[in-house]
Amino acid sequence: DAKTTQPNSMESNEEEPVHLPCNHSTISGTDYIHWYRQLPSQGPEYVIHGLTSNVNNRMASLAIAEDRKSSTLILHRATLRDAAVYYCILGGSGGSNYKLTFGKGTLLTVNP
Amino acid sequence: DAGITQSPRHKVTETGTPVTLRCHQTENHRYMYWYRQDPGHGLRLIHYSYGVKDTDKGEVSDGYSVSRSKTEDFLLTLESATSSQTSVYFCAIKLAGSTDTQYFGPGTRLTVL
Repeated sequence: DAKTTQPNSMESNEEEPVHLPCNHSTISGTDYIHWYRQLPSQGPEYVIHGLTSNVNNRMASLAIAEDRKSSTLILHRATLRDAAVYYCILGGSGGSNYKLTFGKGTLLTVNP
Repeated sequence: DAGITQSPRHKVTETGTPVTLRCHQTENHRYMYWYRQDPGHGLRLIHYSYGVKDTDKGEVSDGYSVSRSKTEDFLLTLESATSSQTSVYFCAIKLAGSTDTQYFGPGTRLTVL
């Protein structure tokens, strides 16, 4: 399975933008890039996904490099409620029976 | 929240006893998953199901069995619980469509003494 590399932790200040990087140099042409987050004591929560083009939704934006070997999750204005572990995951090709493989993610700390 | 509930939410049991965790969904999703989460390991897939009576193993399936006799329920059984199975267990469903987007339940915290 294609793997992703994320920093173990990042820190941000409240109301500032946050850019969470993810490297996936072995991504296949059909792999979607998914982002999930997990708030303390909760189950993972879907954030956003994309294939080639940048994507926006109410929670975040996803910027995908032209060669698709890296991507960045952008939180436009961090709040204290955004403090969580963020996971970057590859999937969607269907060849793996729709299994997602979670790594250790990035622990985001948001300072007031 | 995709209508996913898990029961029980918390359970304490003793080594050697059988334990069954239930995942229930209300929206007829075909794919369902069981993960466990331990400190330092992230989420690891135990078993998954791609339809009624259709299940397959994940990366940490030893010591666990599953059953899916109807679409809405996916049961995870520990035939003889061990302390190494102390964990938080999450159930998930996959939305229909070409991507693997999954939605997770609230989790069950299991402690095996």
